[in-house]
Amino acid sequence: EDQVTQSPEALRLQEGESSSLNCSYTVSGLRGLFWYRQDPGKGPEFLFTLYSAGEEKEKERLKATLTKKESFLHITAPKPEDSATYLCAVQAATGGYNKLIFGAGTRLAVHP
Amino acid sequence: EPEVTQTPSHQVTQMGQEVILRCVPISNHLYFYWYRQILGQKVEFLVSFYNNEISEKSEIFDDQFSVERPDGSNFTLKIRSTKLEDSAMYFCASRDRMGTGELFFGEGSRLTVL
Repeated sequence: EDQVTQSPEALRLQEGESSSLNCSYTVSGLRGLFWYRQDPGKGPEFLFTLYSAGEEKEKERLKATLTKKESFLHITAPKPEDSATYLCAVQAATGGYNKLIFGAGTRLAVHP
Repeated sequence: EPEVTQTPSHQVTQMGQEVILRCVPISNHLYFYWYRQILGQKVEFLVSFYNNEISEKSEIFDDQFSVERPDGSNFTLKIRSTKLEDSAMYFCASRDRMGTGELFFGEGSRLTVL
């Protein structure tokens, strides 16, 4: 069964304290891995798509990397406005192109 | 910046009542989706829709659910007879192409069933 596990469940950082969020997945052929940011009571906001092992993408203080079994979201020198839940999702190569399978998310709190 | 818009933002209904949630996807997008998120739980896929028909649906999407694209802009989710366990945040999403094109989500419609 396709599955996505994110760790840690929650992370508290001081402003400027860099860290990484983990997304491990088991999927019957990976078509794409997605990172989203979700603020409380809001919809997921697209951040990155990664397609193959070794790929990296960056956006401001965020950098996403992908291996054959997991993805990391690195946050460099975070600011309080980076506080949110970060969701990882995978799209499997089998069973159609449609659905994303989401992890439970990592709740990030960045304190000044 | 183009966005997916959803209405209502919050709806409270009595168990057994019919509910229609509305979405306006991004204008040049062709693939439309509904996901839901029960409070404190994962975002779950419900259904995908392309070329005026359902292309995939999950086990959650049973006979009490239906989707429709009644005109060129709206995409609706109908729940015929709501149950307490239907209380959740419902997200509409759209993408412009199949494969791994980015999926853009709306802000969600919170449904509370009493």
